[in-house]
Amino acid sequence: DTEVTQTPKHLVMGMTNKKSLKCEQHMGHRAMYWYKQKAKKPPELMFVYSYEKLSINESVPSRFSPECPNSSLLNLHLHALQPEDSALYLCASSQVGIPTEKLFFGSGTQLSVL
Amino acid sequence: DAKTTQPNSMESNEEEPVHLPCNHSTISGTDYIHWYRQLPSQGPEYVIHGLTSNVNNRMASLAIAEDRKSSTLILHRATLRDAAVYYCILSGYALNFGKGTSLLVTP
Repeated sequence: DTEVTQTPKHLVMGMTNKKSLKCEQHMGHRAMYWYKQKAKKPPELMFVYSYEKLSINESVPSRFSPECPNSSLLNLHLHALQPEDSALYLCASSQVGIPTEKLFFGSGTQLSVL
Repeated sequence: DAKTTQPNSMESNEEEPVHLPCNHSTISGTDYIHWYRQLPSQGPEYVIHGLTSNVNNRMASLAIAEDRKSSTLILHRATLRDAAVYYCILSGYALNFGKGTSLLVTP
């Protein structure tokens, strides 16, 4: 199984809502990533977890709160988002989290903030 | 992180080879060169990576200049399914994507 599964595929939320994005992999990888991709732009790194610990936070606003409850699961909790946060949110995983590794990406969650 | 420069777009005919260039003049000695591609409505997909020597796999070949300041991704026979955005990325402390090259393949 070389899949990274993201749910939901689409999400619409208001600016006062709280929602969560979920990402799961069963490849035994110990590093997981969140990227944000605006339309027609490249993915931008948000967070990296390695061995369930947050190792990189690219100065992401606190309205985005990542969580890695175990090595297979990665969540992104969303609260008080702005319309400009509308984007495709991509999850990825790799073996241990060193930059030379191959990343496996999910298909993303398309988020719309109204 | 060292930066990469790629053409915004390229076009190829189906079943012909495609050479996608990438310049990375500020590459450090420990940076690997990675290539990913992103098909429409999908997440990025790993294509190939290398350090100094040319690399081949079932998807593509990677040719790395001797001074490592540039590299070329080679698709040996382009198909319509190869139409995607191709990203050349250097492994700094994490994989940060540049703007990429949008490849159009015409029948």
